Amino acid sequence: ETGVTQTPRHLVMGMTNKKSLKCEQHLGHNAMYWYKQSAKKPLELMFVYSLEERVENNSVPSRFSPECPNSSHLFLHLHTLQPEDSALYLCASSRERQASYEQYFGPGTRLTVT
Amino acid sequence: GIQVEQSPPDLILQEGANSTLRCNFSDSVNNLQWFHQNPWGQLINLFYIPSGTKQNGRLSATTVATERYSLLYISSSQTTDSGVYFCAVGTRAGTALIFGKGTTLSVSS
Repeated sequence: ETGVTQTPRHLVMGMTNKKSLKCEQHLGHNAMYWYKQSAKKPLELMFVYSLEERVENNSVPSRFSPECPNSSHLFLHLHTLQPEDSALYLCASSRERQASYEQYFGPGTRLTVT
Repeated sequence: GIQVEQSPPDLILQEGANSTLRCNFSDSVNNLQWFHQNPWGQLINLFYIPSGTKQNGRLSATTVATERYSLLYISSSQTTDSGVYFCAVGTRAGTALIFGKGTTLSVSS
């Protein structure tokens, strides 16, 4: 595998379910990101991790819980989501956390909350 | 924060036509990236171009940092070029890329 991979690609969950999104990067990068893309809106940054430490949390509700066990893996744990959380969730990585470095994106997980 | 504006918002072309997409940004940046989002949602890196000119096949890009704009040129467009093209900028002091709203390109045969 090369680049940034994400699983699952599609997820349908009820509001009472708990699920997790997984991201893995094979680029040797030190920074990883979660972005959210809702319909008709620009991409929004959710979380940033640098060397497994969370360095940014953009006022994301606590029903989204990130985890970065090592510099190659990033998870987004989901629980008691709302229908408005339905969106495309994109993972990205870059060599370092500064936004001057090129970011590479995974294929995304399309989430539907029913 | 930095504002990113893309134009036009929508573009419809016949196969074989050329096009120019524009990205204006409101402040100095250290990173400018062009992406193509395919129908399945994946963001594909086209160019990392904080300044200067680059070419990759039928695509080329130019960023004039002093005037705060970038242009993406698509020549001899193909149906597979359809999708949304995003410009995104970043600075050394920030962590997030700031995305524009995108240009939706439709190429018909």
